[in-house]
Amino acid sequence: AQTVTQSQPEMSVQEAETVTLSCTYDTSENNYYLFWYKQPPSRQMILVIRQEAYKQQNATENRFSVNFQKAAKSFSLKISDSQLGDTAMYFCAFEDTGNQFYFGTGTSLTVIP
Amino acid sequence: NAGVTQTPKFQVLKTGQSMTLQCAQDMNHNSMYWYRQDPGMGLRLIYYSASEGTTDKGEVPNGYNVSRLNKREFSLRLESAAPSQTSVYFCASRDLGQGVREAFFGQGTRLTVV
Repeated sequence: AQTVTQSQPEMSVQEAETVTLSCTYDTSENNYYLFWYKQPPSRQMILVIRQEAYKQQNATENRFSVNFQKAAKSFSLKISDSQLGDTAMYFCAFEDTGNQFYFGTGTSLTVIP
Repeated sequence: NAGVTQTPKFQVLKTGQSMTLQCAQDMNHNSMYWYRQDPGMGLRLIYYSASEGTTDKGEVPNGYNVSRLNKREFSLRLESAAPSQTSVYFCASRDLGQGVREAFFGQGTRLTVV
């Protein structure tokens, strides 16, 4: 079974600053997908960014970018210019070749005004 | 766009009662999923349906049953609710076509079993 580890249960960042959320995973597969989902207090799960393992280039979506280190099995999320609306729980997810999602336990991020 | 719709949003059950959580998606997705979310444990897969007419167990299927009624609808049934099933339940759907891998989630059902 695949495992996804988020070692930071809680984090905080000052508004306009940059924060990095860490995620590591364990797999023997070579082709897979990685995702970061955001869950604000409304409970809605929202896709933030995704990365295909066969792509060496790190994915970027506006203020959100990832640092994908395939050999190290690491997939961290960097949020630049943090905004109050970024306050949420963030989940790292891994999709294996069987099309199953495996989620980490989440990191609760608070953006401080 | 409705996306994935779950009903109800909140429910309180007594131990031993049964209920069905409903989920419908309007994106013509083939695959649908049921997850439960518990504090400190992330989302865990209960059951999934890769396509209409098929269902498979996930990581935590005990105490649950599912029905893929048609391509749009995927329901989750608790036959005899237990306090350990107190959780937030999410339905999700996705299309496994090329280039589109993300799962779309409903807004969740908060279930309390007393």
